[in-house]
Order: sequence, then C-alpha cells, then structure tokens
Amino acid sequence: QTVVTQEPSFSVSPGGTATLTCGLTSGSVSTNYYPSWYQQTPGQAPRTLIYNTNTRSSGVPDRFSGSILGNKAALTITGAQADDESNYHCVLYMGSGIWEFGGGTKLAVL
Amino acid sequence: DVQLVESGGGLVEPGGSLRLSCAASGFTFTSSAMSWVRQAPGKGLEWVSALSGSGRSTYYADSVKGRFTVSRDNSKNTLYLQMNSLRVDDTAVYYCAGVEMATTRKFDPWGQGTLVTVSS
Repeated sequence: QTVVTQEPSFSVSPGGTATLTCGLTSGSVSTNYYPSWYQQTPGQAPRTLIYNTNTRSSGVPDRFSGSILGNKAALTITGAQADDESNYHCVLYMGSGIWEFGGGTKLAVL
Repeated sequence: DVQLVESGGGLVEPGGSLRLSCAASGFTFTSSAMSWVRQAPGKGLEWVSALSGSGRSTYYADSVKGRFTVSRDNSKNTLYLQMNSLRVDDTAVYYCAGVEMATTRKFDPWGQGTLVTVSS
C-alpha cells in the first residue's frame, strides 16, 4: 500500500525559507493528486493553506506557496515568522473518492 | 459566517457504537460534499469518509469500511457518522469538513472537532 510521506520535523530560522515536502513511498506526486496543505496549531482545527497544488486559500499570506518539486509536492514558507510554528499536513487525492494524509510536519522557527 | 459544529463525541467501550453529528450553517449545504477526518492523540490527520451533496455516493477509508456509515439530512443541514464495532484505535478527535470533490479536492471549511474515546 502506498503511503504519503512528510518530514516529521523541520527547523527554520526567523526570516528564513522552509520547504516542506509531500511524497509517496511508491511513485511520484503530480498535479493529478491535487495536493493540498493545512496548518494546525495544538488544540485547534486545521486551517486550509494551499489547494490544487498551488492555489492559496483566502486570507493566506503570499509567503506561503505550493508547487511540485521533483517527484514531490512542496510547501514553501518564505520569510518565516514565529507564528508559523505549527504542524503542517499534506493530503493527496488517490482517486475514486479516496484521500490519504501524510503524517504531518512539525515546524519549529528558531 | 460559515460554520460547522460537531457533537456526539464521548466515552464508549470497545465494541460499542456512537453517532456523531455535524451541523452546518452559512453556506449551501445541500450542494456541498462533506467529509469526516480524524486525528488520534499526538498523531496526524486521517481521512475517514466522504459523502456527495445528494448523499447517494459514499466513500470510506479501509480502516473504517464496514463499521462506519456516513449520511446526511439536507433538510436539517446536518451530516452524520454512525460508528459501530468501535475499537481502541478509533480514539480520536473527529472533524467534519466540506470537501470539493469535482475540481480542487480541497477540504474547507472545518469544524472544531469532537473527541471520541474508546476505552474499557
């Protein structure tokens, strides 16, 4: 069974750039998987950041961007700020009405 | 304002049943596909189920297939998740979310979640 992979943790310096990735244990992620990204702080509901690979949700700052990098989907945060410290979840549409989330990435800004 | 409010969570013994509800407001519920996503304590998100706007098409993760049933009452703007044969590893916060099934496949909006604890 194919599993969606994410870095368990990632660190970035304030003002720096973080690129989080979302891959597959078998095969490559393409736009056909409609990758989307969600930000979640502990105790809160997820917040939609990016959908359909690279479309920012309403109200999301333009320092958050989505793309396909190589064989993975990517979420890039430029000019990282302290309040970007959160968990980031990606999800891929596997077809036939089925979605698979990755394990999530805990981003530290320090 | 767009709002999803889950209810029905609680403590249940292994093998028991529970029905979750999700009340929607602020958007056209009848034309919106909906989904359930759960999060076990300290873990990532897990997609559980989805349901078309009409309610005629349903989809389930393998982990819940045959045990959970998703449904909706469009006259009440409410989504349901009937959970039977509950197991300890079903313990999680259950979120309902709108899902765009035809084009972008995104999950939005999200409710605040309801906690289900399966324990003896």
